[in-house]
Amino acid sequence: NAGVMQNPRHLVRRRGQEARLRCSPMKGHSHVYWYRQLPEEGLKFMVYLQKENIIDESGMPKERFSAEFPKEGPSILRIQQVVRGDSAAYFCASSQGHGYTFGSGTRLTVV
Amino acid sequence: GESVGLHLPTLSVQEGDNSIINCAYSNSASDYFIWYKQESGKGPQFIIDIRSNMDKRQGQRVTVLLNKTVKHLSLQIAATQPGDSAVYFCAEDPRTGNQFYFGTGTSLTVIP
Repeated sequence: NAGVMQNPRHLVRRRGQEARLRCSPMKGHSHVYWYRQLPEEGLKFMVYLQKENIIDESGMPKERFSAEFPKEGPSILRIQQVVRGDSAAYFCASSQGHGYTFGSGTRLTVV
Repeated sequence: GESVGLHLPTLSVQEGDNSIINCAYSNSASDYFIWYKQESGKGPQFIIDIRSNMDKRQGQRVTVLLNKTVKHLSLQIAATQPGDSAVYFCAEDPRTGNQFYFGTGTSLTVIP
C-alpha cells in the first residue's frame, strides 16, 4: 500500500501560469480532501471530493481554483493564473471513514 | 467559525523529559479529535486519536487527554527523543461539515 501519493513534490510557476497538482488516494479510499498550508501556519481546508463529485468546496477561492476527482485517475487541484499569494504547500488527504491519511504535499512557488 | 487553538507555539524540552502539548477547541459538539505530527518537508502523520466519550487514551509513548468541560486537549510524549522534534497539530471533527479543523501547531524542539 503506497499511501497517498502527490506529485509533483515541488512546482515552480511564473505569475499568470497554471498549476496542476495531482493526488492519488490510498487504495480503497474514495474520499479526497485538499488542504493548503502557508509557512508557519496550520492546514486550511479547501475542498472535499468523492469520485466524480465535489462534496464541499467551501474553503476554495471562488476564482482561479478548481478541483476534480474523476472516475479514473488521480484527483487534480488546478490553479489558473497563479499569483505570488498562491505560494504554499498543498496537501491531499484520503479517508474511508474517520481520520485522514495525508500525502507528502506539493510545494508551489510562484515567481 | 470554528477554531482550534494552541496555547504555546513553541516548546523546547531536554531529551528524555516528558513533553506536554496543549490545544483548546471551541465547538462543544466536536466528538472526535486527532493529533498529527508534521516533520519538516513532510505531510502530517497520524499519532493518536480520541473520541469524546473518552477522557484518556494511550499509545506507544504518547497519551492524549480530553477535558470536555473546558474544551481542552493535550498530547503527552514520554521520554522525548530527538526524533520527536516536529510540529504537532490537533484537529477536531465538529460534525458540522466534511472537514477537520486544524490548529496552528506547536513546534517541539528536543535538545540532546
